[in-house]
Amino acid sequence: EVQLVESGGGLVKPGGSLRLSCAASGFTFFTYSMNWVRQAPGKGLEWVSSISSSGTYIYYADSVKGRFTISRDNAKNSLYLQMNSLRAEDTAVYYCARMKTTPYYFDYWGQGTLVTVSS
Amino acid sequence: QSALTQPPSVSGSPGQSVTISCTGISSDVGSYNRVSWYQQPPGTAPKLLIYEVSNRPSGVPDRFSGSKSGNTASLTISGLQAEDEADYYCSLYTSSSTWVFGGGTTLTVL
Repeated sequence: EVQLVESGGGLVKPGGSLRLSCAASGFTFFTYSMNWVRQAPGKGLEWVSSISSSGTYIYYADSVKGRFTISRDNAKNSLYLQMNSLRAEDTAVYYCARMKTTPYYFDYWGQGTLVTVSS
Repeated sequence: QSALTQPPSVSGSPGQSVTISCTGISSDVGSYNRVSWYQQPPGTAPKLLIYEVSNRPSGVPDRFSGSKSGNTASLTISGLQAEDEADYYCSLYTSSSTWVFGGGTTLTVL
């Protein structure tokens, strides 16, 4: 059974940093691209970042470019999101999502971890 | 980055059909079949409903169907059931290898 379990969320002050993790199991992690998608309270889904299976190709939404860094450790079946210079508008539930390619879609999602940026 | 426009809300009675639209521009939705749809019941994570415009993953009832005409993709839910109450999102994988989501549509079953 495919499982994605996020962790690392919490309360952080504006300008602070946080590192999210996503532990994957039930599939060959190193063969899949992975993504982070977030959802602000009461709002819609917003794609954050994508990393290819080997980590070679990385993409970011304009809203987080230069502040967030996505990475993965295929030996540990884990995906990460390092978030720096956090702002109030980064407050959201952050989901880890497995991405299928050709065709392209997100076939599995974690349950999410809440990040709250507030003083 | 491209924007996808969805109606904020739709509603229907049990047994009826509803259609949710997702409008982009000719260079994205109009040019590619990389549109997928997700269902998100309250308090839960999103779940894949439709991929590549009209394909259903195994386990998704055939009451859910997708289509595309020009720059607009559509999700149709037939034989509405109370359990279909949820938020629905369209998504597009762009030619820049990024993703964009529609603003979401809340379905109310009357």
